[in-house]
Amino acid sequence: DGGITQSPKYLFRKEGQNVTLSCEQNLNHDAMYWYRQDPGQGLRLIYYSQIVNDFQKGDIAEGYSVSREKKESFPLTVTSAQKNPTAFYLCASSMTGTGGYGYTFGSGTRLTVV
Amino acid sequence: GNSVTQMEGPVTLSEEAFLTINCTYTATGYPSLFWYVQYPGEGLQLLLKATKADDKGSNKGFEATYRKETTSFHLEKGSVQVSDSAVYFCALSDRANAGKSTFGDGTTLTVKP
Repeated sequence: DGGITQSPKYLFRKEGQNVTLSCEQNLNHDAMYWYRQDPGQGLRLIYYSQIVNDFQKGDIAEGYSVSREKKESFPLTVTSAQKNPTAFYLCASSMTGTGGYGYTFGSGTRLTVV
Repeated sequence: GNSVTQMEGPVTLSEEAFLTINCTYTATGYPSLFWYVQYPGEGLQLLLKATKADDKGSNKGFEATYRKETTSFHLEKGSVQVSDSAVYFCALSDRANAGKSTFGDGTTLTVKP
């Protein structure tokens, strides 16, 4: 079955450490997105990519980096510059164009600073 | 720019009660509208959608009608179950933003037996 896979499900980061969250899709979607969700809050867009080898900053890109070397993959690195990284991270994908298709989401990665 | 405003929660209902979660939007173009559902500890799932005015999206007993004149897309269900307890997000996307979506803040629904 087609879908979008995030790994790991839980991740613990030490102070000053960079960590990378994986996101892979086999839906042949052009666009991919990273969102951050804090407890009891909505989604905030970190980065998005509408085509391979191209990506744009979202609303809260500081302290994060991404790459899009393959259509299927859009990893997110949480750098040591991100001062408050503890959150639930969601990856999504969609077909581009008119926007009528909606997003497919992964099951999320919960990142905790220890 | 685009925005989505959802009814503030939390919403608590008894089983078999009628559900309405209000959603209104602001958009410069002609957006598509969506409702997503998020169960605890999981990602969001697309619940239903409507792509043009007067369309009704429906799924699993939930319905929402795209009302262009009132810029609304309210979610309704005639008889909720305990298993409907979740967070519900209203969203829009449009051609002007190449399909990038704008989400509401989410409404938490708790259904008690």
